[in-house]
Amino acid sequence: KQEVTQIPAALSVPEGENLVLNCSFTDSAIYNLQWFRQDPGKGLTSLLLIQSSQREQTSGRLNASLDKSSGRSTLYIAASQPGDSATYLCAVNKGNTPLVFGKGTRLSVIA
Amino acid sequence: EAGVAQSPRYKIIEKRQSVAFWCNPISGHATLYWYQQILGQGPKLLIQFQNNGVVDDSQLPKDRFSAERLKGVDSTLKIQPAKLEDSAVYLCASSLGQQNEQFFGPGTRLTVL
Repeated sequence: KQEVTQIPAALSVPEGENLVLNCSFTDSAIYNLQWFRQDPGKGLTSLLLIQSSQREQTSGRLNASLDKSSGRSTLYIAASQPGDSATYLCAVNKGNTPLVFGKGTRLSVIA
Repeated sequence: EAGVAQSPRYKIIEKRQSVAFWCNPISGHATLYWYQQILGQGPKLLIQFQNNGVVDDSQLPKDRFSAERLKGVDSTLKIQPAKLEDSAVYLCASSLGQQNEQFFGPGTRLTVL
């Protein structure tokens, strides 16, 4: 059974810092890994999707990497801003199976 | 392009009452998902549709939860009767196909008293 773990559970950083969020999964035979952002009381916004054949994806200040063999992914946020404050969720799936989510990392960027 | 629409956004009911949620996916998306997100947890899949057929409902508590996707577009999720532990956010998502990126709606926050 696939399990997804995200560390740390919460993180507080001053504005302007670069930061890394970690995601690990127990079954490396994944098809997609997806990073989401969730603001309080809101739904999920897809940030980046990495297919199993890819090593990384970039969008603006965000960069996600995937190391399938070790069952790890990182989300790098450059020059953090207060507007980046949210919960970041990592999820994986295997072929046609549903996404399995971690519990998320709650990020606070202090101005 | 319009996103995934859900209604209502909030619902408060008493235990043993019934409740229904509605979802309209992104136009052209064949796959539709219902997830339950309990506070402090990641979303958990309840049911997945491919067009109007059920692909996976293994984690749906079928004694009280039901869902349908008539005509392969809109979907409704019903809880009857509700229990206190059903308090959660119910998220609907859609994708072009089962292996494509999923897009989520704003969710419905259910409180069972």
